[in-house]
Amino acid sequence: DQQVKQNSPSLSVQEGRISILNCDYTNSMFDYFLWYKKYPAEGPTFLISISSIKDKNEDGRFTVFLNKSAKHLSLHIVPSQPGDSAVYFCAASDSGTSYGKLTFGQGTILTVHP
Amino acid sequence: GEEVAQTPKHLVRGEGQKAKLYCAPIKGHSYVFWYQQVLKNEFKFLISFQNENVFDETGMPKERFSAKCLPNSPCSLEIQATKLEDSAVYFCASSLTKTDTQYFGPGTRLTVL
Repeated sequence: DQQVKQNSPSLSVQEGRISILNCDYTNSMFDYFLWYKKYPAEGPTFLISISSIKDKNEDGRFTVFLNKSAKHLSLHIVPSQPGDSAVYFCAASDSGTSYGKLTFGQGTILTVHP
Repeated sequence: GEEVAQTPKHLVRGEGQKAKLYCAPIKGHSYVFWYQQVLKNEFKFLISFQNENVFDETGMPKERFSAKCLPNSPCSLEIQATKLEDSAVYFCASSLTKTDTQYFGPGTRLTVL
């Protein structure tokens, strides 16, 4: 039962353009969402998060949008840089019952071309 | 410390041998989470601790896996009698509270031959 899905295995973008990574979830109890970036042979690095009481959160070049009715969130990176090339994971938790454990999507490989 | 530390970086075991992995959470963080990532797929939650107490163990294969977080010691994840399917990268994460952002360590790659 895949509760968090990233349907695009990969995304290729030109440097300076916008990267949009998408994530869908099925569990309506999820109330906290995070994006992590992962380089090979390293642990996931926290990027940005959003609580279900908000629909947008911005941090520098990174913006996360949450559409609760559609159970969809997206990560926008503007402008994209070659150093952003990595695997991006969407994760969700249900603060009420899941005791904080994260449920992850399968990841999207982002490649930013110079 | 300011980062989650995990040792060893790599671990190779023959099938049936024991494997023990260690995690030192960020200083001041009360919660520790263990996740397993098989073949670059999504992360599977194993177990979490609040200080030295098991907080949630719903993801733990009970038969061969055990974990501890003792005061003044790194947390540990132990696999008795490893199997081929235990080959994975095991990540540890820590957070200030159960709902705060989880910060991950670099992982331990376990290879079972």
